[in-house]
Amino acid sequence: GEDVEQSLFLSVREGDSSVINCTYTDSSSTYLYWYKQEPGAGLQLLTYIFSNMDMKQDQRLTVLLNKKDKHLSLRIADTQTGDSAIYFCAESITFRGGATNKLIFGTGTLLAVQP
Amino acid sequence: EAGVTQFPSHSVIEKGQTVTLRCDPISGHDNLYWYRRVMGKEIKFLLHFVKESKQDESGMPNNRFLAERTGGTYSTLKVQPAELEDSGVYFCASRPLQGRNTEAFFGQGTRLTVV
Repeated sequence: GEDVEQSLFLSVREGDSSVINCTYTDSSSTYLYWYKQEPGAGLQLLTYIFSNMDMKQDQRLTVLLNKKDKHLSLRIADTQTGDSAIYFCAESITFRGGATNKLIFGTGTLLAVQP
Repeated sequence: EAGVTQFPSHSVIEKGQTVTLRCDPISGHDNLYWYRRVMGKEIKFLLHFVKESKQDESGMPNNRFLAERTGGTYSTLKVQPAELEDSGVYFCASRPLQGRNTEAFFGQGTRLTVV
């Protein structure tokens, strides 16, 4: 089945690191994504990782993938107040040889950064 | 270049009324997706167009929802008659046809409230 789970809320202090966790169920997912939604805005793709990778780093963002446990995490170093947003984990589901490529999202984690 | 635009940004209607949401994808993007987030829950896939054809409509909740993409450009999602449980944020996304992991660009969403 297709299911992605995340914790609902995370609060950190400015300057600390934030770690947002996600578990997924479809082992055939090729790509896993992190999206960010700021208040009143749409979904912005932050980063993604290919399923044969364990880690991907992009400036302050580090994505870790444990494919055996189907666990994905997003670490934000030196968290700033501007990082306050909802973060969605998503896996891609492809059918029919690539004809359909929908995303299965988690519930989203609200990150609150305290000054 | 304009991003994905959705109209209206907010809509409040009474139960039993009809509402039509519109999505203008990025020009040249053949893939168009509709998603919905009910309050506090995950973002759920509704359907996927490739040009004017429905590629996958497995996420459509019931026959009160009708999506169209005549001419393969903009898309509309009509809810008739609306029920209380249809309240939520409706997101549209588009991506180019070529490539399996081209980024899906999301609109800002339409917040629908049925009272």
